[in-house]
Amino acid sequence: EVQLVESGGGLVQPGGSLRLSCAASGFTFSSYWMHWVRQAPGKGLVWVSRINSDGSSTSYADSVKGRFTISRDNAKNTLYLQMNSLRAEDTAVYYCARTYNWKDAFDIWGQGTMVTVSS
Amino acid sequence: DIQMTQSPSTLSASVGDRVTITCRASQSISSWLAWYQQKPGKAPKLLIYDASSLESGVPSRFSGSGSGTEFTLTISSLQPDDFATYYCHQYNSYWTFGQGTKVEIK
Repeated sequence: EVQLVESGGGLVQPGGSLRLSCAASGFTFSSYWMHWVRQAPGKGLVWVSRINSDGSSTSYADSVKGRFTISRDNAKNTLYLQMNSLRAEDTAVYYCARTYNWKDAFDIWGQGTMVTVSS
Repeated sequence: DIQMTQSPSTLSASVGDRVTITCRASQSISSWLAWYQQKPGKAPKLLIYDASSLESGVPSRFSGSGSGTEFTLTISSLQPDDFATYYCHQYNSYWTFGQGTKVEIK
């Protein structure tokens, strides 16, 4: 079964850090671009970051640029999001999702992991 | 940045109704548009990609049309399982979502 499973969410104080993981199974992880998309409580979907299939290229939404870092370990079939200098407005459910390339829809999503930034 | 605007924001309908949701892009995105369904507490589910291609396993009552800047998602006969929030998503340049359309029971 094709599956993405996120982990690593939780409660963190403003200014703190957190690392999210997304474990992939059931498909050739190294062939796919991977993304993080977030959804604040009661709000819509917002793309956060992407990484290409071999990890050589990344991009970020302006709202997280310089604070978040996306990476992947193709040997471990795992995607990561290192989140630093967290703010209250980063509070959201974070989903990982895959695309086959840069012009593709998100066909598989994880179940999401909740990140709450609060003192 | 490409902005995506959906209408309406909320739609009240009955089982069996034909439902249409519109999505407009701030500039041409060719046919690089997808539609997702999301239920509370769940991840989005891909319904339509490349504006009009039905994702495998998705019921044929869902259809998509449009190109350039105007797109529609149509549910030909609304079923109880279809009450949810729907999002459009452009992937022509980076990735942007519409604000969502909640389909609720009339």
